[in-house]
Amino acid sequence: GENVEQHPSTLSVQEGDSAVIKCTYSDSASNYFPWYKQELGKRPQLIIDIRSNVGEKKDQRIAVTLNKTAKHFSLHITETQPEDSAVYFCAASEKVGGSEKLVFGKGTKLTVNP
Amino acid sequence: KAGVTQTPRYLIKTRGQQVTLSCSPISGHRSVSWYQQTPGQGLQFLFEYFSETQRNKGNFPGRFSGRQFSNSRSEMNVSTLELGDSALYLCASSTHPGSPYEQYFGPGTRLTVT
Repeated sequence: GENVEQHPSTLSVQEGDSAVIKCTYSDSASNYFPWYKQELGKRPQLIIDIRSNVGEKKDQRIAVTLNKTAKHFSLHITETQPEDSAVYFCAASEKVGGSEKLVFGKGTKLTVNP
Repeated sequence: KAGVTQTPRYLIKTRGQQVTLSCSPISGHRSVSWYQQTPGQGLQFLFEYFSETQRNKGNFPGRFSGRQFSNSRSEMNVSTLELGDSALYLCASSTHPGSPYEQYFGPGTRLTVT
């Protein structure tokens, strides 16, 4: 089955710096890669996603890149702000029978220091 | 639109008991997925329901079951509770049945088994 590895597990940056979180996946048939942000005590929020026919997607300060050959994808946050502090989860789709499910990485705790 | 809602938000049960959790999806969303979130295992897929049918199931024992009603509301049930079932149970809704695209999570039910 699909296996998603996420690195680093913790990341501390200064406000204004960039942050990069990387994930690798094992199933070459995976075709959907979302990123979720979970603040302490809150629900996971979908912040950006990418499908396998696209190499990069941007939304303001957030971007995701996908390398299908190497089976890895990354989240890039520029000009970080204290409110970006949260746990970020990557996920990859896995086909099971006639449908698909998400397999999540273990999460990255991002701390943005003012 | 109102977001995904889950009830109850907190629950304390004793080993051996059973529990039922409820999830109401975003209006118009007919697919509901359930996840278990623990510090050690992260987010793990339990099952997905669409049109009152289970479309997909994760690797959990048969003690975990669910159902969906005609109004798309979903319940999950855990019987013969074990200490290891203590977790945050999240449901997510989507307009894309059988696929993990654009899933939106509820706030979760925090289950503690003593």
